[in-house]
Amino acid sequence: DSGVTQTPKHLITATGQRVTLRCSPRSGDLSVYWYQQSLDQGLQFLIQYYNGEERAKGNILERFSAQQFPDLHSELNLSSLELGDSALYFCASSVEPENTEAFFGQGTRLTVV
Amino acid sequence: GESVGLHLPTLSVQEGDNSIINCAYSNSASDYFIWYKQESGKGPQFIIDIRSNMDKRQGQRVTVLLNKTVKHLSLQIAATQPGDSAVYFCAENGGGTSYGKLTFGQGTILTVHP
Repeated sequence: DSGVTQTPKHLITATGQRVTLRCSPRSGDLSVYWYQQSLDQGLQFLIQYYNGEERAKGNILERFSAQQFPDLHSELNLSSLELGDSALYFCASSVEPENTEAFFGQGTRLTVV
Repeated sequence: GESVGLHLPTLSVQEGDNSIINCAYSNSASDYFIWYKQESGKGPQFIIDIRSNMDKRQGQRVTVLLNKTVKHLSLQIAATQPGDSAVYFCAENGGGTSYGKLTFGQGTILTVHP
């Protein structure tokens, strides 16, 4: 158990819908990262927050957004969902913003039908 | 980012053998590298890391080698066990303003036969 908690574990939704994925980082970790894992694109970095502020941005679509709350948990919002958004979404956390020894959660498997 | 099809490189070894998994990275400015292990249905698990000012680092049964000249990283697993069967990813940290962003390689499937 990495100490990073993601909910829900599985999510099935229809195209055009909006979903929210939640992540609780390890106790004491200030930095949260979101990754998308799909068969054709592998593991792709989406976005990073550190202590509530956006720190780094990857290939995150405009339909996707994230935030980190004062209690350090983070949410990834995916809207206007398309079939191609079906993937595993991972959250990771680390103490420092430099991504050293980032610990990953178990992921949320999103299926868009 | 990396493009991954359905056909990842594979490595099959016998239990007790040593395994070597290779990775080529693309960004010469990357100054931090990590190896992750991902078992089926789980998130990536940190194995070992190395900074660019080193060329070798050892952990428990694992060694990472870094060759910056040819931008190559390898993970050596000693006395491989069935529990080591997983997909292994190398990841590079872009450095500078991209320091929070890890770029993952495509992964290698390691299968250990008893």
